[in-house]
Amino acid sequence: AQKITQTQPGMFVQEKEAVTLDCTYDTSDPSYGLFWYKQPSSGEMIFLIYQGSYDQQNATEGRYSLNFQKARKSANLVISASQLGDSAMYFCAMRGINTGNQFYFGTGTSLTVIP
Amino acid sequence: GAVVSQHPSWVICKSGTSVKIECRSLDFQATTMFWYRQFPKQSLMLMATSNEGSKATYEQGVEKDKFLINHASLTLSTLTVTSAHPEDSSFYICSARPPMGRMNTEAFFGQGTRLTVV
Repeated sequence: AQKITQTQPGMFVQEKEAVTLDCTYDTSDPSYGLFWYKQPSSGEMIFLIYQGSYDQQNATEGRYSLNFQKARKSANLVISASQLGDSAMYFCAMRGINTGNQFYFGTGTSLTVIP
Repeated sequence: GAVVSQHPSWVICKSGTSVKIECRSLDFQATTMFWYRQFPKQSLMLMATSNEGSKATYEQGVEKDKFLINHASLTLSTLTVTSAHPEDSSFYICSARPPMGRMNTEAFFGQGTRLTVV
């Protein structure tokens, strides 16, 4: 079974500051991928960043980076230099090698960037 | 990247009527599509897995007779909310993934459909 936990229902960050959104997971799959999505108020799901379970380095995509700690089963998203447009819901998701195309989502974190 | 298109983006219907939502994969063939329901400020709740050419697989607690899913082609899945009631009002969103995608291939989502039943 796969489980994703996001313990921060809501977060606030000052514009231009960095913020970390927490995500822990549990899986029995030997190989898996971790994904972060952003969902603005319009509802669309925007893919941000991916981390593979066997990747040696933490993933980075522009202002997004992933703090992957495999032993702790955590995959926290770090957003640097926050912008007002970063205000949205953020979902951590996982797909395991044995789960086919199905993704498992966390409960999400609502991020508000304060000017 | 791959594109999944969902239509309509929003719909208002009267209680007791049926509403059909379409989900299309525009540049890849999707043997499997997923339908989610989402309440405000909450996570995506998987309703069912739509399988091309066969019956959908519904999650526990989801009424298959109320939420009819048809996946008649490799690029189109439809969700029909039958005899809609105000409690069916929600945000419905579909997703698909290229079948031969590697582990790092993300799930692609439709734009979502905001259903309001009055």
